Amino acid sequence: GNSVTQMEGPVTLSEEAFLTINCTYTATGYPSLFWYVQYPGEGLQLLLKATKADDKGSNKGFEATYRKETTSFHLEKGSVQVSDSAVYFCALSDPNDYKLSFGAGTTVTVRA
Amino acid sequence: NAGVTQTPKFQVLKTGQSMTLQCAQDMNHEYMSWYRQDPGMGLRLIHYSVGAGITDQGEVPNGYNVSRSTTEDFPLRLLSAAPSQTSVYFCASSPTPGHSEKLFFGSGTQLSVL
Repeated sequence: GNSVTQMEGPVTLSEEAFLTINCTYTATGYPSLFWYVQYPGEGLQLLLKATKADDKGSNKGFEATYRKETTSFHLEKGSVQVSDSAVYFCALSDPNDYKLSFGAGTTVTVRA
Repeated sequence: NAGVTQTPKFQVLKTGQSMTLQCAQDMNHEYMSWYRQDPGMGLRLIHYSVGAGITDQGEVPNGYNVSRSTTEDFPLRLLSAAPSQTSVYFCASSPTPGHSEKLFFGSGTQLSVL
């Protein structure tokens, strides 16, 4: 079956630091990959996506590249802000059905 | 626009009690779903619906019932609450099944079962 593994947190950073959250996946076929973000007290929001190998998703300064050879979709941001404090979820969608498989989530706290 | 509205935001139940978590969307979405979020486990799909009158089980359906009598509403029922159902519950909808990039989430219901 499909599964997503992402690095465990929590992660605590200072403002303007570089952020990387690792995500690897197991899937049959060619899934679409996503990063969702959950701000305190809110539901999940789509942050970025990639639908095929070597695609790069980007949004709000965050980037992730779909690496088929390493089955990875690591999230990066070059300079984080306090407002980036949130829980980040990696997810995949199997093209053969419409269900999302989520990673466990990584809590990121950015200190001023 | 309200989007996906979940009620209540917080609920405490005693073991064996029943309750219904409400979910409503005003975007005319065909697809609606319920997830539970547990520490270290991410979100897991409980039940989903691809349209009014159609529901199906997800990854962790035991102990939960759903119905979809209208396009707008997708309530989740706990018939006899157990402590293992203590979790944060999210409802989500999308225009059609398979549009994961267009999945809208509600703000969640935090449920504690004592």
